[in-house]
Amino acid sequence: SAVISQKPSRDICQRGTSLTIQCQVDSQVTMMFWYRQQPGQSLTLIATANQGSEATYESGFVIDKFPISRPNLTFSTLTVSNMSPEDSSIYLCSVERGQGRAFFGQGTRLTVV
Amino acid sequence: AQTVTQSQPEMSVQEAETVTLSCTYDTSENNYYLFWYKQPPSRQMILVIRQEAYKQQNATENRFSVNFQKAAKSFSLKISDSQLGDTAMYFCAFMKLQGGKLIFGQGTELSVKP
Repeated sequence: SAVISQKPSRDICQRGTSLTIQCQVDSQVTMMFWYRQQPGQSLTLIATANQGSEATYESGFVIDKFPISRPNLTFSTLTVSNMSPEDSSIYLCSVERGQGRAFFGQGTRLTVV
Repeated sequence: AQTVTQSQPEMSVQEAETVTLSCTYDTSENNYYLFWYKQPPSRQMILVIRQEAYKQQNATENRFSVNFQKAAKSFSLKISDSQLGDTAMYFCAFMKLQGGKLIFGQGTELSVKP
């Protein structure tokens, strides 16, 4: 298994500001994944974060809006920039520990007002 | 590209009864993983069951079992002896053998009624 600590657990932010979400894993992993879950919707992958290289973004997501850092093998951050109410979602980080064993952080519930 | 489809937005079942949630997927991969995740109101993603496509035997975890039909690209979840704590959103998901990223279905909201 994997213990993933994600914070903050929730936040209410003003439009136009930015929020940085942190994800800490209890042991080293090669790749970390960031997902967005809009209200009443399923999870959609934002990007894959590899240590030592630029994150790989999925279609519809751009680095200027969702910059990601991956300074080491146990930590990553996702920033939601210049927020608007449409960014109100749950954001989750995930890791895969081999053989398809994926684990998730507790999620960050973001509300933009 | 892979897709996952859950055609049942909502389902309900009486406590102690059995319910089956449906999932179909599309892929050109021969080997992959399939999952069912549970998301209660706490929003934590909880792995319910995992299936390796290269194994013909259907996975089981206590009251949870799957019916994996590889040729039909179908992956249904059966919950036996439903409990009130099973009330949650259930997501079917696909993962390539290499890569680690998950593709999710739209979800099925399950309500277990006393």
